[in-house]
Amino acid sequence: QLQLQESGPGLVKPSETLSLTCTVSGGSVTSSGYYWGWIRQPPGEGLESIGTIYYSGGTYYNPSLKSRVTISVDTSKNQFSLKVTSVAAADTAVYYCARYPQWISQPSWGQGTLVTVSS
Amino acid sequence: EIVLTQSPGTLSLSPGERATLSCRATQSVSTTYLAWYQQKPGQAPRLLIYGASSRATGIPDRFSGSGSGTDFTLTISRLEPEDFAVYYCQQYGNSPGTFGQGTKLEIK
Repeated sequence: QLQLQESGPGLVKPSETLSLTCTVSGGSVTSSGYYWGWIRQPPGEGLESIGTIYYSGGTYYNPSLKSRVTISVDTSKNQFSLKVTSVAAADTAVYYCARYPQWISQPSWGQGTLVTVSS
Repeated sequence: EIVLTQSPGTLSLSPGERATLSCRATQSVSTTYLAWYQQKPGQAPRLLIYGASSRATGIPDRFSGSGSGTDFTLTISRLEPEDFAVYYCQQYGNSPGTFGQGTKLEIK
């Protein structure tokens, strides 16, 4: 059974870089027919797509975050990662990783991890 | 970017009633990539519907999804007390995907 688990620091200082990893078990990041993504939710607010990555290497980012975001895949560890540079308080959120199928099948999400930006 | 607009923002109903939630897109969305989620306070979103009309594993049959093109609907046939929550639609066919702003379903 597929499981996704987010990990990384829960506290990041303003202007620094937020780095999160999503570890995939019960499946492979190299599987064809799937792509991978990050979503976030600030406290008390709605859901926001951050970006997606295809195994082929193609990445797509939310235009509002594009200049600060990088998503990458580490096939040796069966993980994919998120980096957000120059963070501010507005980047405080629960961050989720997800797997999306390229046909009619269920998307899968991790349980999420809270990242707080504060000095 | 495809913008999804959910209506109403808040829906006040009683247990046993029927709920109809709407999700409208600014351009056509493939039904393959349209999902609905339920979220309760302090919890991660729970997948209800994928492919616009397929129920996710373990989801009761009182939840149903329909629609195509730019108009999609989530229907809860008879509300149970545990159904009062926030509901989001999502399209993930046009990367990186987008969410609606949510509909809060509250007890009347």
